[in-house]
Amino acid sequence: ILNVEQSPQSLHVQEGDSTNFTCSFPSSNFYALHWYRWETAKSPEALFVMTLNGDEKKKGRISATLNTKEGYSYLYIKGSQPEDSATYLCASRNTGNQFYFGTGTSLTVIP
Amino acid sequence: DAGVTQSPTHLIKTRGQQVTLRCSPISGHKSVSWYQQVLGQGPQFIFQYYEKEERGRGNFPDRFSARQFPNYSSELNVNALLLGDSALYLCASSSPGKAGTEAFFGQGTRLTVV
Repeated sequence: ILNVEQSPQSLHVQEGDSTNFTCSFPSSNFYALHWYRWETAKSPEALFVMTLNGDEKKKGRISATLNTKEGYSYLYIKGSQPEDSATYLCASRNTGNQFYFGTGTSLTVIP
Repeated sequence: DAGVTQSPTHLIKTRGQQVTLRCSPISGHKSVSWYQQVLGQGPQFIFQYYEKEERGRGNFPDRFSARQFPNYSSELNVNALLLGDSALYLCASSSPGKAGTEAFFGQGTRLTVV
């Protein structure tokens, strides 16, 4: 069983602030690292999938980086907006195509 | 294109009963995985099925079983329900074999055991 950890568990920021979260994962049998955005009563929405060490992905104000050698990924949100409020989940996918999720970081952006 | 669909959306059962949850993957996806999310925790892996065969199983008791049909839809069965089985059950579909491939989730089935 892979132990994927996310920090912080929750975060409150003011509108306009930039913020970042951390996901750490074991390197063994690593295949891909996924980030999801999950709003209450909705399906988790895929943000990024990264596979190679040093990968960086960007979608609007949100970006992510991957370090497979040390087993961590960062998610950055620039200029947070209230609509960014959600739980951000990371998942490590192994070579058997099984996803192992962290507990998520709950982000609240205060207007 | 329809996304991943799960049914029912909500369910209330009593202890000791049995429950069946259903999932239809995205068209063309042959892999279905099931996850349990209890309050305050991240989703926990239960099963993965690919091409109708079980390819992975998480740390869940034998009361949990699943199967995948020729059309790649899947059912998750839980027997002898316990209060602790109350959770959101998520289904995800994907196309294995491609590292950059995403998994797409349904909205989940909220199971309450009373």
